[in-house]
Amino acid sequence: SQQGEEDPQALSIQEGENATMNCSYKTSINNLQWYRQNSGRGLVHLILIRSNEREKHSGRLRVTLDTSKKSSSLLITASRAADTASYFCATSGNQFYFGTGTSLTVIP
Amino acid sequence: NAGVTQTPKFQVLKTGQSMTLQCAQDMNHNSMYWYRQDPGMGLRLIYYSASEGTTDKGEVPNGYNVSRLNKREFSLRLESAAPSQTSVYFCASSETGRIYEQYFGPGTRLTVT
Repeated sequence: SQQGEEDPQALSIQEGENATMNCSYKTSINNLQWYRQNSGRGLVHLILIRSNEREKHSGRLRVTLDTSKKSSSLLITASRAADTASYFCATSGNQFYFGTGTSLTVIP
Repeated sequence: NAGVTQTPKFQVLKTGQSMTLQCAQDMNHNSMYWYRQDPGMGLRLIYYSASEGTTDKGEVPNGYNVSRLNKREFSLRLESAAPSQTSVYFCASSETGRIYEQYFGPGTRLTVT
């Protein structure tokens, strides 16, 4: 069974708006990572947050982690058309699991 | 650096045929992985190799075999392809262990008719 589940499955916003996507997981983890996948391409690593961290920033990305709720969120601020892609969370514990992804469309 | 390369990019097989998907990385990573990606399912781990000479099953290993030929190369073999194996296959590599970020190849789109 899938360890990570993203919500929403699809998100459509206007350029300049913020995009928030959420990830829930089931078991204890060492860290949680977020990846981006452009259509027809492989995944690209965005950011990693360790289990003892609560928040992390990288450029326009902000990730939060709540281990008590087994959930994480990815915020992309001031979105651009180039941010259009699918976003996946991945949890690392005994195994490495990817979620089902959120498809983000940023409308110019 | 090429990163992670995969061959072929596309392949069509008939049911029962066999083939090997090739993967190579030039980042001197110890760990390598094979995933399949199906619509609405995300990525699922087929096999991984924590280091040269070792391989372990992932979430969906049935119908597949792997070979860690050397530190650079990790191949995935379908002995008798089935339509259920129609998917996009990704190879990835990372520093030792699952706690590190993974670097992905461009994928192989496989159709089994």
